[in-house]
Amino acid sequence: AQTVTQSQPEMSVQEAETVTLSCTYDTSESDYYLFWYKQPPSRQMILVIRQEAYKQQNATENRFSVNFQKAAKSFSLKISDSQLGDAAMYFCAYNSPQGAQKLVFGQGTRLTINP
Amino acid sequence: DSGVTQTPKHLITATGQRVTLRCSPRSGDLSVYWYQQSLDQGLQFLIQYYNGEERAKGNILERFSAQQFPDLHSELNLSSLELGDSALYFCASSVTSTDTDTQYFGPGTRLTVL
Repeated sequence: AQTVTQSQPEMSVQEAETVTLSCTYDTSESDYYLFWYKQPPSRQMILVIRQEAYKQQNATENRFSVNFQKAAKSFSLKISDSQLGDAAMYFCAYNSPQGAQKLVFGQGTRLTINP
Repeated sequence: DSGVTQTPKHLITATGQRVTLRCSPRSGDLSVYWYQQSLDQGLQFLIQYYNGEERAKGNILERFSAQQFPDLHSELNLSSLELGDSALYFCASSVTSTDTDTQYFGPGTRLTVL
């Protein structure tokens, strides 16, 4: 079974600075999808970014980008120019093309933005 | 706003009771997924429906059941509730049931069992 690990329970960054959240996963599959979801205090799960494993190019969405290292099974999220609204729990998730189309989530990283 | 709606937002009930959580997927989405978020278990997949049929099961208890109706809305039924069932229950939807689809989440239903 696939597992996702986020080794940083909490992170903090100064407003306008850059922060990187780490995620590693374990799988024997070659094709899969990876996601970062954001959960602000409202508890809504909001999609931040998505990466297809077959794509070598790292995904980017405005201030959010990923560093996808397939061989290392690493999928980190970089947030540039951090804003107060970025404060939230961030979850890394894996979706397998085999079997159930379920998301397997990491434990989450709580990001605090210091003004 | 993801376009996925869930009702009610909050639910407080007693042990041994039964509750029903409702989810309406985004317009055009055929797949519905249910997830449970609790402090000790994190976010866990419960069950998936696609166009009215059960497609996959995760760590769903026998006391829990779900269905998807012809209008594609889904209900998650939780019975014989225990204190440990207190959690945030999310519904997500996607266009089809393939791995290429992104799942969009509703706002969740917070269940408190007293």
